[in-house]
Amino acid sequence: DAGVIQSPRHEVTEMGQEVTLRCKPISGHNSLFWYRQTMMRGLELLIYFNNNVPIDDSGMPEDRFSAKMPNASFSTLKIQPSEPRDSAVYFCASTRSQVYSQPQHFGDGTRLSIL
Amino acid sequence: DAKTTQPNSMESNEEEPVHLPCNHSTISGTDYIHWYRQLPSQGPEYVIHGLTSNVNNRMASLAIAEDRKSSTLILHRATLRDAAVYYCILRGSGGSNYKLTFGKGTLLTVNP
Repeated sequence: DAGVIQSPRHEVTEMGQEVTLRCKPISGHNSLFWYRQTMMRGLELLIYFNNNVPIDDSGMPEDRFSAKMPNASFSTLKIQPSEPRDSAVYFCASTRSQVYSQPQHFGDGTRLSIL
Repeated sequence: DAKTTQPNSMESNEEEPVHLPCNHSTISGTDYIHWYRQLPSQGPEYVIHGLTSNVNNRMASLAIAEDRKSSTLILHRATLRDAAVYYCILRGSGGSNYKLTFGKGTLLTVNP
């Protein structure tokens, strides 16, 4: 079975540019998560969707960040305008349900560098 | 959220067992103990979880103390591919139970 698919794997862009990260969750999973990992802050949850609806976006750093899930098989995380401090690895994860015993399945991440 | 404490790093030799400890003295009765690991340049990977009883799967075993204030992830025969950061995470039944709160984890080095 295909796992969580993220694209691109690497992105290098200049400050001020718009960045769009993409995620395809595992088929049949109805919960989707976006995480960010940095050396300073570790892995932190940005936003959580259940059945395509954003449930918790308290981790989104500021208005420059936005996330959408137009259907069950696709989600985007957008940064506009991007800043050097947004440089990090961004992970998408999905799970079959929000039951707390269910494991989350992670993609391989997008390594984002803002110059 | 209840906190977990893990050693920053551990070292093992290939083909030997590895015992990765985790302390969670403030665990509540409904908190599950989850373990994930993150290999270099990859996303976190689910390893195992349990509530009260010891658990086994194809990847590892989880030994849970009787008072549930600590647990140990056991890799029965470490391989070079097991070199990773291992995270011990508590997931409860409260409103934010969907959330995985990652600490710093334990960096496991496996020597050939």
